[in-house]
Amino acid sequence: EVQLVESGGGLVQPGESLRLSCAASGFTFSNYWMHWVRQAPGKGLVWVSRINSDGSSISYADSVKGRFTISRDNAKNTLNLQMNSLRAEDTAVYYCARDAYEGWDYWGQGTLVTVSS
Amino acid sequence: EIVLTQSPATLSVSPGARATLSCRASQSVSSFLAWYQQKPGQAPRLLIYGASTRDTGIPARFSGSGSGTEFTLTISSLQSEDFAVYYCQQYNNWPYTFGQGTKLEIK
Repeated sequence: EVQLVESGGGLVQPGESLRLSCAASGFTFSNYWMHWVRQAPGKGLVWVSRINSDGSSISYADSVKGRFTISRDNAKNTLNLQMNSLRAEDTAVYYCARDAYEGWDYWGQGTLVTVSS
Repeated sequence: EIVLTQSPATLSVSPGARATLSCRASQSVSSFLAWYQQKPGQAPRLLIYGASTRDTGIPARFSGSGSGTEFTLTISSLQSEDFAVYYCQQYNNWPYTFGQGTKLEIK
């Protein structure tokens, strides 16, 4: 069974950092591109970042470029998102999602990040 | 960046009736369009990819159509579990983008 389990969310103050992780199981993790998507409270889905299967190609949304870093450890089946210089507008549920090339077919349950003083 | 505009924002439909949701792209995305369903407190669920192909396990009452800039998700004979928010997503051009969502509510 394919599973994606996010962790690392929490309450932080503006300017602080947080590291999210997504543990993958039930499939060959190293074969898939992966994404982070966020959803602010009561709002829609917004793509944040993506990484290709071997980590050699990475993209970010303009809103997080220079502050967030995506990475993966294929030996540990883990996707990460290092978030620095957090702002109030980064408050959201963060999901990791598997890219099936035709749609994103598996999503984690999400982890809530709250940035507030 | 390709903008996806979904309409209507909210759709009120009775159980057993048909629902038609629209997604318009600001430029052609060919058939690289997906539809997702999201229920409160849950992650999105892939329903349709390639504009018209149902993902594994998705009931036949869900159907997608369209290409280029105009797309439709149709749910025939609505069941209670179908009332949710639906998002379209294009994966033809980076950055991949989502529509703002259509909330399907019980009439």
